[in-house]
Amino acid sequence: DGGITQSPKYLFRKEGQNVTLSCEQNLNHDAMYWYRQDPGQGLRLIYYSQIVNDFQKGDIAEGYSVSREKKESFPLTVTSAQKNPTAFYLCASSISGLETQYFGPGTRLLVL
Amino acid sequence: GIQVEQSPPDLILQEGANSTLRCNFSDSVNNLQWFHQNPWGQLINLFYIPSGTKQNGRLSATTVATERYSLLYISSSQTTDSGVYFCAVSSGYALNFGKGTSLLVTP
Repeated sequence: DGGITQSPKYLFRKEGQNVTLSCEQNLNHDAMYWYRQDPGQGLRLIYYSQIVNDFQKGDIAEGYSVSREKKESFPLTVTSAQKNPTAFYLCASSISGLETQYFGPGTRLLVL
Repeated sequence: GIQVEQSPPDLILQEGANSTLRCNFSDSVNNLQWFHQNPWGQLINLFYIPSGTKQNGRLSATTVATERYSLLYISSSQTTDSGVYFCAVSSGYALNFGKGTSLLVTP
């Protein structure tokens, strides 16, 4: 099946710990995105990548890092510098930056 | 970034009723999408509609780009239509989301 997968579904982070969220797509899309959703809110952009080995900061990039070594993969690391990481994280992809974006099922991150 | 306002914020309907959701945006856009977020958090694409009108079954959408608004119509609503409906727009690459309309359809 073609689509976007995210893992894990739930993730728990201890204070001071870095954690990495996985996002993989087999749609052959060039562009990939990470968004954060807080309760009762819309999504906000963390990072996006239009092409392999290139990525741009979004509105709320502080405390996060990404890499794009392969076209199909765009992992997000939540670092210890992110003071309020509890949220729902959604990954998306599109053929190019100006086309329809398709979303994965999301990862819920909780801080212990 | 582009500001996106959705109305109403909450809506309760009886099954079979029709509804109209509105999305206003503050600048010219080259991308406008409507999504339905189900209770498990999955965002489902409804329409890619930067301008014009589209229909898909009981759902239809219209975007008037020159007046910077879009409307989502739901006809003959069903309980499975419940969830949050988001409008998202872009003038570049990344989408700017509104806060959504939370819809509850009762039997």
